[in-house]
Amino acid sequence: GDSVTQMEGPVTLSEEAFLTINCTYTATGYPSLFWYVQYPGEGLQLLLKATKADDKGSNKGFEATYRKETTSFHLEKGSVQVSDSAVYFCALIRLPGGRQLTFGSGTQLTVLP
Amino acid sequence: GAGVSQSPSNKVTEKGKDVELRCDPISGHTALYWYRQRLGQGLEFLIYFQGNSAPDKSGLPSDRFSAERTGESVSTLTIQRTQQEDSAVYLCASSLDGAGGRGANVLTFGAGSRLTVL
Repeated sequence: GDSVTQMEGPVTLSEEAFLTINCTYTATGYPSLFWYVQYPGEGLQLLLKATKADDKGSNKGFEATYRKETTSFHLEKGSVQVSDSAVYFCALIRLPGGRQLTFGSGTQLTVLP
Repeated sequence: GAGVSQSPSNKVTEKGKDVELRCDPISGHTALYWYRQRLGQGLEFLIYFQGNSAPDKSGLPSDRFSAERTGESVSTLTIQRTQQEDSAVYLCASSLDGAGGRGANVLTFGAGSRLTVL
């Protein structure tokens, strides 16, 4: 079945450090890929998405590129801020025919001032 | 409403009791999802409603779990005879339309209902 594997956390960085959170997936067909973020006390929010190979999703300084050859969708940010502290979830939906997202286990990020 | 609302935000219950969790999706969103998030684990799909179609119940872990949705509005997730392993955060999400639609797959989540079974 479909699955998403994320790097285990927690990840602790200093402000302005470079961030990479690894995500790899297994799916049949041609999935769409997503990163969701969950800030403390809030629901998950869509951060970015990519719907086909070599697409790059970007938002709020975060980027992720859909790499079909390595089945990966790593999340990167060049300079993190304290306000980026949250849990990040990688997810996919299998297309065609998928009706619900499959999520990774989440990666807790803490950014220290 | 402006966002997805869930209630209660926290529920502590004794083993064997029944619980009901409520989700009020964004107005106009035809698709509604329930997920479970156990501590330190990813989101586990439970059930999916899309308009008037039969719900996709393939993720419900046992017959103690059930969910209903009234039209395209409120949904309730019911857990009967709760067990300690049911302790988790139960997340509800809605989207403009289901798979295949232009708004598909962009889910808006509620803040969740944290269930603790003693």
